[in-house]
Amino acid sequence: ILNVEQSPQSLHVQEGDSTNFTCSFPSSNFYALHWYRWETAKSPEALFVMTLNGDEKKKGRISATLNTKEGYSYLYIKGSQPEDSATYLCASAYFGNEKLTFGTGTRLTIIP
Amino acid sequence: DADVTQTPRNRITKTGKRIMLECSQTKGHDRMYWYRQDPGLGLRLIYYSFDVKDINKGEISDGYSVSRQAQAKFSLSLESAIPNQTALYFCATSDFPTYEQYFGPGTRLTVT
Repeated sequence: ILNVEQSPQSLHVQEGDSTNFTCSFPSSNFYALHWYRWETAKSPEALFVMTLNGDEKKKGRISATLNTKEGYSYLYIKGSQPEDSATYLCASAYFGNEKLTFGTGTRLTIIP
Repeated sequence: DADVTQTPRNRITKTGKRIMLECSQTKGHDRMYWYRQDPGLGLRLIYYSFDVKDINKGEISDGYSVSRQAQAKFSLSLESAIPNQTALYFCATSDFPTYEQYFGPGTRLTVT
């Protein structure tokens, strides 16, 4: 069973501050790393899909990096806003195992 | 209209009853998935299907069965519901080769 770990489990951040959190995953046979944003009472939506070591992706104030050799990815949020409050899920996929394994998420709350 | 729909959105049922959750998609994706979400456990894969004739068990398939009636439809059945199947159930689709997941709105199931 693959183990995808996210830390911290939850985080409170003041509006306007920047923050980041971590996803750790097994690096052997790695294929892709996904980040999803999951707002309360909605369904998860994809933020990024990354495959290459050193990949860096950006969408507005949110960005992500990927290190496939050591098996981790960071998600960064710059200048947090109340609408950033959500649970952020990461998931990894591997060659020969064509499905995602999800972490348990980081629950982010932005304090106005 | 939503690309991935689930019915019902909420359901309360009694122990021992058979129940079916339905999922339809208009994205034209071959790959469809059923997940359940429990607090603190993240999203766990129940079953997945890569086309109409290809059905695979996920990590927690015991007590569940599925039917892929067409490319657009994937149903999940609980043969004899039990209280620990109380959870939020998500259907998802994905394209190849990224496996980016497109989630339905979820079905909240309560087994009493």
